[in-house]
Amino acid sequence: EAQVTQNPRYLITVTGKKLTVTCSQNMNHEYMSWYRQDPGLGLRQIYYSMNVEVTDKGDVPEGYKVSRKEKRNFPLILESPSPNQTSLYFCASSSQFSGYTFGSGTRLTVV
Amino acid sequence: DAKTTQPPSMDCAEGRAANLPCNHSTISGNEYVYWYRQIHSQGPQYIIHGLKNNETNEMASLIITEDRKSSTLILPHATLRDTAVYYCIVKEHSGNTGKLIFGQGTTLQVKP
Repeated sequence: EAQVTQNPRYLITVTGKKLTVTCSQNMNHEYMSWYRQDPGLGLRQIYYSMNVEVTDKGDVPEGYKVSRKEKRNFPLILESPSPNQTSLYFCASSSQFSGYTFGSGTRLTVV
Repeated sequence: DAKTTQPPSMDCAEGRAANLPCNHSTISGNEYVYWYRQIHSQGPQYIIHGLKNNETNEMASLIITEDRKSSTLILPHATLRDTAVYYCIVKEHSGNTGKLIFGQGTTLQVKP
């Protein structure tokens, strides 16, 4: 089944403790992206990647890092999480001419 | 900012057609109209997209006006499981970023 898999689904962590949210897709898509969703602010893009080793900032990249060493994986790294990064996170992938496929989401709480 | 305008909410009776409008008066010639929906807090789900011709797939139909300044997503026989937030998005089919800019969408409530 074609899908984007995110892990974990839920995570509670403490301020400053580094964490990684993994994202993997099995569709051989070139393009991958991370979004966060907050009440009243909607979905906003954090980072995106056009292909392996090619990443760039989205609209709200502060406090986040990403890497794209393999085509299928696009982890989101929070080096020093803060409470304002409490949010619902989605990973998405697409090819040049397809609609986006989103993961099921990761609900992160930073206390 | 989102380049689309949608009504914040709509109701539809179960089994009837749901017609969701979207205005995109500043759409440019190489931009497509995409529709996604988000059920509760699940990941957004792709529904359909089109450039200027009407499109139909197993989920929905998309009607784009001739001047391309507005479109309508049609769910022909709405069910309770179609209750969701529906997003209308315009973007280039390909491009440097491929970013989806989500607006507030339309919350569709399908009622028994």
